[in-house]
Amino acid sequence: DSGVTQTPKHLITATGQRVTLRCSPRSGDLSVYWYQQSLDQGLQFLIQYYNGEERAKGNILERFSAQQFPDLHSELNLSSLELGDSALYFCASSPSGRADTQYFGPGTRLTVL
Amino acid sequence: AQKVTQAQTEISVVEKEDVTLDCVYETRDTTYYLFWYKQPPSGELVFLIRRNSFDEQNEISGRYSWNFQKSTSSFNFTITASQVVDSAVYFCALSETSGTYKYIFGTGTRLKVLA
Repeated sequence: DSGVTQTPKHLITATGQRVTLRCSPRSGDLSVYWYQQSLDQGLQFLIQYYNGEERAKGNILERFSAQQFPDLHSELNLSSLELGDSALYFCASSPSGRADTQYFGPGTRLTVL
Repeated sequence: AQKVTQAQTEISVVEKEDVTLDCVYETRDTTYYLFWYKQPPSGELVFLIRRNSFDEQNEISGRYSWNFQKSTSSFNFTITASQVVDSAVYFCALSETSGTYKYIFGTGTRLKVLA
């Protein structure tokens, strides 16, 4: 158990809908990262937050957004969902967000029908 | 640009065999970090090792060992006396220290250990 929690574990929804994925980092970690794992794209970095502020952006679609709250939990919002958004979404956390080891949560499996 | 290549898509071995998973990386940074993660069938990503670019000492942890060779930009992972529980997808990742600290992952190697 990495200490990073993600909810829900599974999510099934329809095209065009909006969903929110939630992540709680390990105790003491200030940085949160979101990754997407799909069959065709592999593991891709989406976005990083550090202590409530966005620090880095990767291949995140405009339909996706994220935030980190004062209690350091983070949410990833996915809207206008398409079939291709079906994937495993991981959250990871690290203490400082600078070349630390990232510890990954169990992931949220999103299925868009 | 940074890149991680895991050329072995899938490897099958019989229990108790040794197996080496290859990882080749590209980066322009002089300071960087390399990682290995394991993804068992349950899906989570389990951290195995972190190595910085200035530490070329090989590391051994039980049946696991890692060989870091800067000259060939490789960071290979060997499992000795493999067990069925080692069956998983193994990912190599690179993190630079300039710009973002995101991980660049390889495509993974699926290891099947047969009883």
